[in-house]
Amino acid sequence: KAGVTQTPRYLIKTRGQQVTLSCSPISGHRSVSWYQQTPGQGLQFLFEYFSETQRNKGNFPGRFSGRQFSNSRSEMNVSTLELGDSALYLCASSRTGRSSPLHFGNGTRLTVT
Amino acid sequence: DQQVKQNSPSLSVQEGRISILNCDYTNSMFDYFLWYKKYPAEGPTFLISISSIKDKNEDGRFTVFLNKSAKHLSLHIVPSQPGDSAVYFCAASERENAGNMLTFGGGTRLMVKP
Repeated sequence: KAGVTQTPRYLIKTRGQQVTLSCSPISGHRSVSWYQQTPGQGLQFLFEYFSETQRNKGNFPGRFSGRQFSNSRSEMNVSTLELGDSALYLCASSRTGRSSPLHFGNGTRLTVT
Repeated sequence: DQQVKQNSPSLSVQEGRISILNCDYTNSMFDYFLWYKKYPAEGPTFLISISSIKDKNEDGRFTVFLNKSAKHLSLHIVPSQPGDSAVYFCAASERENAGNMLTFGGGTRLMVKP
C-alpha cells in the first residue's frame, strides 16, 4: 500500500510570493491534516480536512489555507510568504477520526528567502 | 504557552537497557495521547497510543504509562536497540470530535549506543 505522498520535496520561494503544496493520502483515508515543523516551535497543527470539509483549524494567520478534493487529495496554500514561513510542512492522513492514527508523509521543505 | 512538554531534549542509552522518555501536559481536557518516532528526512511514524481511561498500554517492546493526576506520560522501550535512535514526540488531543488535531511536544532525541 502506497504511503502518503507529498510534492514537491523541496521548494525555494521569495518573500511575498505564494506557494501551493500537494498531498496524496493513503488510499481509503478520508482525513488529511497539515502540520508545520520548525526548530523553534516544533510540530504545530495547521488544519484538517475530512470529506472535503475543513474540520479543524490551528492558530495560523489567514495566509495559510487549504482544500481537499473529492478523491481526498489535499493542497495547502501560503500567500504573501514571510521569512518565518520557512519550515517543513507535513501532511498526514487517517481513515476517520483520532481512533485511527495519523500516517505522515515525508514533508515538503519550504525555504523563503 | 506549551501545553505538551518534553523537558529532555536528548537521551543516551546503552543497547539492551531501558529507555524512558517523559512528557508532561497542562491541558486537563486532553484525553488521548500518542507517541511518534521520527527519523531524519522522514515524516513521524506512529508508535503507540493510550486513552485516558487506561493507565498503561503495551505493544511489544514499547509501553506507555499515563498518570492523569500528575498530567504525565512516559514511553518505555525495553530492550533498547540501535535502530530505536530517533526523535520521539508525544502528542495529545482533547475531545472525540477533535478529529486529528494533535498538540505535539518538542521532541526528545534518543541515542542508543551499541
